[in-house]
Amino acid sequence: AQKITQTQPGMFVQEKEAVTLDCTYDTSDQSYGLFWYKQPSSGEMIFLIYQGSYDEQNATEGRYSLNFQKARKSANLVISASQLGDSAMYFCAMRNRMNRDDKIIFGKGTRLHILP
Amino acid sequence: SQTIHQWPATLVQPVGSPLSLECTVEGTSNPNLYWYRQAAGRGLQLLFYSVGIGQISSEVPQNLSASRPQDRQFILSSKKLLLSDSGFYLCAGQGRAPYEQYFGPGTRLTVT
Repeated sequence: AQKITQTQPGMFVQEKEAVTLDCTYDTSDQSYGLFWYKQPSSGEMIFLIYQGSYDEQNATEGRYSLNFQKARKSANLVISASQLGDSAMYFCAMRNRMNRDDKIIFGKGTRLHILP
Repeated sequence: SQTIHQWPATLVQPVGSPLSLECTVEGTSNPNLYWYRQAAGRGLQLLFYSVGIGQISSEVPQNLSASRPQDRQFILSSKKLLLSDSGFYLCAGQGRAPYEQYFGPGTRLTVT
């Protein structure tokens, strides 16, 4: 069965420092996709970044990058030069890429607090 | 792209009352649609998903139900709410690409 584990329930980071949010996953599928979402206090879910299991390069989107280590089954999110607006809940998620009817599995999330 | 509409944004209901939350989709035909619930400060729990009209898969047995009467409409219902039904309910739609999942703004339900 697919499973996402986020071991950091909360993190406090000084503004402008880089942040790494941990995510490990478990799946028997060969082809899958990994996602990160941001949820501010307003509740909306904001898509940040996607990594396909066969993508050779780590995904990057502006200040966000995904440190994908397939052998270790980890997909950590790295936020460079953190900002106060980065304070939010962050969710790691996964889906079976081959079957678009398959559902996305979410981790329990990490609450990130950026300190001024 | 796809836009997910949800209403109401906030709802306070007494225990034992019925519930109907509506989600509509704009921009994509025949999308897969999902209902999630999020308890305060917790992760997302998938409740139902639908791959087409009248096709509903339930992930968690409970007193909630879902229906999809039209291609772009997904409804979450309950005949009698429980205190444990309180939470933040999110509707989501699957886009064409594997990485495309669009979320609605959510409904914050408080059962008193």
